[in-house]
Amino acid sequence: LAKTTQPISMDSYEGQEVNITCSHNNIATNDYITWYQQFPSQGPRFIIQGYKTKVTNEVASLFIPADRKSSTLSLPRVSLSDTAVYYCLVGDIDTGGFKTIFGAGTRLFVKA
Amino acid sequence: SQTIHQWPATLVQPVGSPLSLECTVEGTSNPNLYWYRQAAGRGLQLLFYSVGIGQISSEVPQNLSASRPQDRQFILSSKKLLLSDSGFYLCALGQAYEQYFGPGTRLTVT
Repeated sequence: LAKTTQPISMDSYEGQEVNITCSHNNIATNDYITWYQQFPSQGPRFIIQGYKTKVTNEVASLFIPADRKSSTLSLPRVSLSDTAVYYCLVGDIDTGGFKTIFGAGTRLFVKA
Repeated sequence: SQTIHQWPATLVQPVGSPLSLECTVEGTSNPNLYWYRQAAGRGLQLLFYSVGIGQISSEVPQNLSASRPQDRQFILSSKKLLLSDSGFYLCALGQAYEQYFGPGTRLTVT
């Protein structure tokens, strides 16, 4: 399983764009990158998943450079309700088994 | 759509007492099911996963056990709780990298 490194915490203000970068230098050819969001006292929620270049949905965008050794989760125009912990996971979605590893994540605090 | 139920929502138990947490799912058949524990301010620790009735894989050797008596029921148990068992227990279903989590049970062992 590829190890990931994320900042422990980030602060932002309402209305700003927030970019959270995850490093995964040992990513394997078949690995995908997945991000989850967790609010206090709730389980994590799947946000977005990608393999290369850019993926966008109604919640976020995921940017993955050509070498795939890092990825950036982009949250446009954050609000107070985006205050949460964001986890980056890397693994083979087809044959990676079941042993997902959630690290400490990045704690995003959005201020008014 | 898939729904995950967990109960109880909160629980306070003395050290040495038994534990039984239940997870049931709706809207899917033969799901992969998972139990995670999250200590305060920490990431999630995978405890058990199950690919079918009676099939349990343990990730962390400890005083906890899991059972899957029915397709959509997953139970976490302990015969004697330790202080270190305190935490937020989450049941999830899905594939390894696209999981859906239940509301969780917050357990405090005193």
